[in-house]
Amino acid sequence: DAGVTQSPTHLIKTRGQQVTLRCSPISGHKSVSWYQQVLGQGPQFIFQYYEKEERGRGNFPDRFSARQFPNYSSELNVNALLLGDSALYLCASSPEATGIYYGYTFGSGTRLTVV
Amino acid sequence: DQQVKQNSPSLSVQEGRISILNCDYTNSMFDYFLWYKKYPAEGPTFLISISSIKDKNEDGRFTVFLNKSAKHLSLHIVPSQPGDSAVYFCAASEGQGAQKLVFGQGTRLTINP
Repeated sequence: DAGVTQSPTHLIKTRGQQVTLRCSPISGHKSVSWYQQVLGQGPQFIFQYYEKEERGRGNFPDRFSARQFPNYSSELNVNALLLGDSALYLCASSPEATGIYYGYTFGSGTRLTVV
Repeated sequence: DQQVKQNSPSLSVQEGRISILNCDYTNSMFDYFLWYKKYPAEGPTFLISISSIKDKNEDGRFTVFLNKSAKHLSLHIVPSQPGDSAVYFCAASEGQGAQKLVFGQGTRLTINP
């Protein structure tokens, strides 16, 4: 059974550009969360979606947006990229709205480099 | 404001001995805690969790201890194996319906043969 899949695995963008990252959750999982992990730090919560609705938002600027599709896959969009957006972007899925009891399942991430 | 802190960036332990990873938190509303392990080029993998109503939870070689009064938790790995070499993250959540995890900075554990 496939785990959480993210695409692309690596990406290089120029400052000011826009980027879209994609995530497919484990089959049957209805919740998708996005985290940003800057080098040397722990993952930081960006968004959570459940049943196509936003359920939580972290302390990130409006340049960050996301959505969830009817098949529960998700996209994270970042506009007007800054050098500080360079990070590993992790997607996590869980069966229900909260994954704390199951332990969210993370994908391998998308490494975004902004130059 | 770092609500979850792992003050040791790295830890080196001999194979077969005990590894103890520590984590402190400041938010008294946190009531559920998790440990994740991360290998390079992979996402974090869930290891073990503990609810604030307990002070200990065991799963095989892994035991998590929670001291609520000190706002401190620790992960014990006994015996340590070379495959345990990874970065370990402590995470916390607030409330049963919590949507997000708050992570510490991570501790890199190296098991020496």
